[in-house]
Amino acid sequence: DIQMTQSPSTLSASVGDRVTITCRASESINAWLAWYQQKPGKAPKLLIYKASTLENEVPSRFSGSGSGTEFTLTISSLQPDDFATYFCQQYFSYVTFGQGTKVESK
Amino acid sequence: QVQLVQSGAEVKKPGASVKVSCKASGYIFTSYGFTWVRQAPGQGLEWMGYISTENGRTSYADRFQGRVTMTADTSTTTGNMELRSLRSDDTAVYYCARARYSGSYLDFWGQGTLVTVSS
Repeated sequence: DIQMTQSPSTLSASVGDRVTITCRASESINAWLAWYQQKPGKAPKLLIYKASTLENEVPSRFSGSGSGTEFTLTISSLQPDDFATYFCQQYFSYVTFGQGTKVESK
Repeated sequence: QVQLVQSGAEVKKPGASVKVSCKASGYIFTSYGFTWVRQAPGQGLEWMGYISTENGRTSYADRFQGRVTMTADTSTTTGNMELRSLRSDDTAVYYCARARYSGSYLDFWGQGTLVTVSS
């Protein structure tokens, strides 16, 4: 099974900050990676797929990059609505999720 | 608009079975399968498996093999997930999500169904 490791587990940031979350795969997954945002009590929401393609209606402050085994999700200027938990997901071979990164207010 | 509406919360005793349904609307049902994902309290997301609505083929995660059955009914545009021999560590929110393939991103999700296993 492909393992996905996210870092950090928790990130403290302020509105306006640039935020970067990293996801590493245990083997190459090409660009078959998605990012999700989840708020408490809600289902995850797709932000990015194929490593860097922004889902419809997702704000352009979100961006994704990477290929192979290392990927990043960047929020260029953190907004109040962005405090949430973020998960990466590989879909090169079935599906595996990272353990999540909680973005909290500093 | 695409909607996935799941059945309501369940409370089950250890050893029992639970069936969660997922009613789809707003798209061509057989163009997408269902992936089922669960999330234990305060934990991450765990892939349980996938069912193709086109041909009924399934792929299950190894740890659920033999204990889970996923089905899809084209007449009612509903997906179902049954988990048997429930244990306390099966307590979780169970989500259905739309997916093209067993290995696919998940673009629409149901609202989640809380299953509590307690004696």
